[in-house]
Amino acid sequence: NAGVTQTPKFQVLKTGQSMTLQCAQDMNHNSMYWYRQDPGMGLRLIYYSASEGTTDKGEVPNGYNVSRLNKREFSLRLESAAPSQTSVYFCASSARQGPYSNQPQHFGDGTRLSIL
Amino acid sequence: AQTVTQSQPEMSVQEAETVTLSCTYDTSESDYYLFWYKQPPSRQMILVIRQEAYKQQNATENRFSVNFQKAAKSFSLKISDSQLGDAAMYFCALSDSRGTGANSKLTFGKGITLSVRP
Repeated sequence: NAGVTQTPKFQVLKTGQSMTLQCAQDMNHNSMYWYRQDPGMGLRLIYYSASEGTTDKGEVPNGYNVSRLNKREFSLRLESAAPSQTSVYFCASSARQGPYSNQPQHFGDGTRLSIL
Repeated sequence: AQTVTQSQPEMSVQEAETVTLSCTYDTSESDYYLFWYKQPPSRQMILVIRQEAYKQQNATENRFSVNFQKAAKSFSLKISDSQLGDAAMYFCALSDSRGTGANSKLTFGKGITLSVRP
């Protein structure tokens, strides 16, 4: 049972470099999310995709772009990495039941990203 | 905007004892859902328990139970018979249920680190 798979697990970048974090889920979930986790800050939503073909900004979208490639995959791109983007990034997915959802989100194992 | 507050950054409990982790929240919605997630050192985010706001009965999952006080906007987690494997960071989270077609987004608290003393 793979669930939500994130790649890579670790990455070190130099300031100004670009990178794409990959996320795939095999649970046939409609919705997918990208969060970042910083010490003392909890998890903060960067972008989400309610369904295939749609994406929306979360709480901290600046400096990031996303692509919902298909129902399974949702990628996060840093076009020009900055030290402030050093963080642990989590991808999550959830099902949807009608217009309301009480289904919990399932998380990947995270990507630890360091930007020098 | 909805907020989730976990005011205690750290707590400690003796193995086999009971501990309660506090969480308060604020939302203008009448329908919403509350969750507790556990994050062990492995970094995984594991769902512990969830509560629907429209349900008056407190949720329970084996040794984990919640005390949901809707009027006070309080959602505490009680861990009974604490085990060494319960040591982790615990996050309280809130999701709204507005029927916008978008799936519910989670707002997390800052987390509390629980240590279990043998």
